[in-house]
Amino acid sequence: QKEVEQDPGPLSVPEGAIVSLNCTYSNSAFQYFMWYRQYSRKGPELLMYTYSSGNKEDGRFTAQVDKSSKYISLFIRDSQPSDSATYLCARYLQGAQKLVFGQGTRLTINP
Amino acid sequence: DAGVTQSPTHLIKTRGQQVTLRCSPKSGHDTVSWYQQALGQGPQFIFQYYEEEERQRGNFPDRFSGHQFPNYSSELNVNALLLGDSALYLCASSLAYGETQYFGPGTRLLVL
Repeated sequence: QKEVEQDPGPLSVPEGAIVSLNCTYSNSAFQYFMWYRQYSRKGPELLMYTYSSGNKEDGRFTAQVDKSSKYISLFIRDSQPSDSATYLCARYLQGAQKLVFGQGTRLTINP
Repeated sequence: DAGVTQSPTHLIKTRGQQVTLRCSPKSGHDTVSWYQQALGQGPQFIFQYYEEEERQRGNFPDRFSGHQFPNYSSELNVNALLLGDSALYLCASSLAYGETQYFGPGTRLLVL
């Protein structure tokens, strides 16, 4: 079983829709969860991160962690064509000092 | 404030050759991590450098080596290139025990 699993998509939604992106993880240790956005042929850009549990909101983006089901989610409200990118979830395990990424979900927002 | 920079942006090599990729971390950061991202996949951790030493290493062969300089910049060296080494190589910088890593634009390596 992979440490972080993510549906690669592709996912295509109309502009203005609410987007839900999801990952599952297998390690129960205290850790951080990150969401990165990667435009085509660019490096990943850190969007937001949360500690082991709870929600975090930043503008149109909300990150959520469900420890009981080992599920992490990113919600995008009022989606825009400029949100079209690949979204990568990752976990950072303290002590290992490395990020473990999911495969990434390719998202397209249609005008 | 310059972010993480990497050079070169693109590189074409042939099998068996050696390559060196370079990275300058974000201002104020002292730790550099290297990742390999194959097409359609998430980045895979290669290793991390702190205080000019390799601190952590992922599941990559010894053909992959690195170096960190006193100014915190770093190099990634890959010897005896294989076709499967073709990928986007990403550098990320962070503070020594910080959880947030910021990535550069990457170097796209093609091995023919």
